[in-house]
Amino acid sequence: GDSVTQMEGPVTLSEEAFLTINCTYTATGYPSLFWYVQYPGEGLQLLLKATKADDKGSNKGFEATYRKETTSFHLEKGSVQVSDSAVYFCALIGIQGAQKLVFGQGTRLTINP
Amino acid sequence: DTAVSQTPKYLVTQMGNDKSIKCEQNLGHDTMYWYKQDSKKFLKIMFSYNNKELIINETVPNRFSPKSPDKAHLNLHINSLELGDSAVYFCASSQAPGGYRETQYFGPGTRLLVL
Repeated sequence: GDSVTQMEGPVTLSEEAFLTINCTYTATGYPSLFWYVQYPGEGLQLLLKATKADDKGSNKGFEATYRKETTSFHLEKGSVQVSDSAVYFCALIGIQGAQKLVFGQGTRLTINP
Repeated sequence: DTAVSQTPKYLVTQMGNDKSIKCEQNLGHDTMYWYKQDSKKFLKIMFSYNNKELIINETVPNRFSPKSPDKAHLNLHINSLELGDSAVYFCASSQAPGGYRETQYFGPGTRLLVL
């Protein structure tokens, strides 16, 4: 079945550092790919998404590019802020069957001032 | 102007009790979902309804019963609560036409603690 693998956390960085959170997937065809963010004590918010190969999703300075050849959707940000501290989830919706999000295990990110 | 709302936000109860969680969306979406987030933050689909029809029913104990009175509401009833049911339950909704390209919008979650 479909699956998503994210880099193990937790990740701790200093403010203004460069961020990469790796995400790879296994799925049939061209699934849609998503990054969701969960701030402490809150629900999930969509951060960005891409629905076809080579698409780049971007929002709030974060970017991720849909790479079919490496089945990856790595999240990047050039300069992180303390307010980016959260848990980040990579997820996909497969092209077959019902629309269900399949999530990675989440990566906890802490940014120190 | 809450898009997807859930009640209650927190629920503390004893083992063996029966409880319900309510979800409402005002986005005009056709499809609604329940996800469970365990203590390690792992998220997994439980159920999905499209226009009041059940379309996803993952391997969830039959103590869990979803009910959709209309397409804007999806409730989750849990019978005979067990310690292992302690988790955060998220409701979500999406449009149907775009299928797998559609974004799912999540509620704030219901934190259930079974003692």
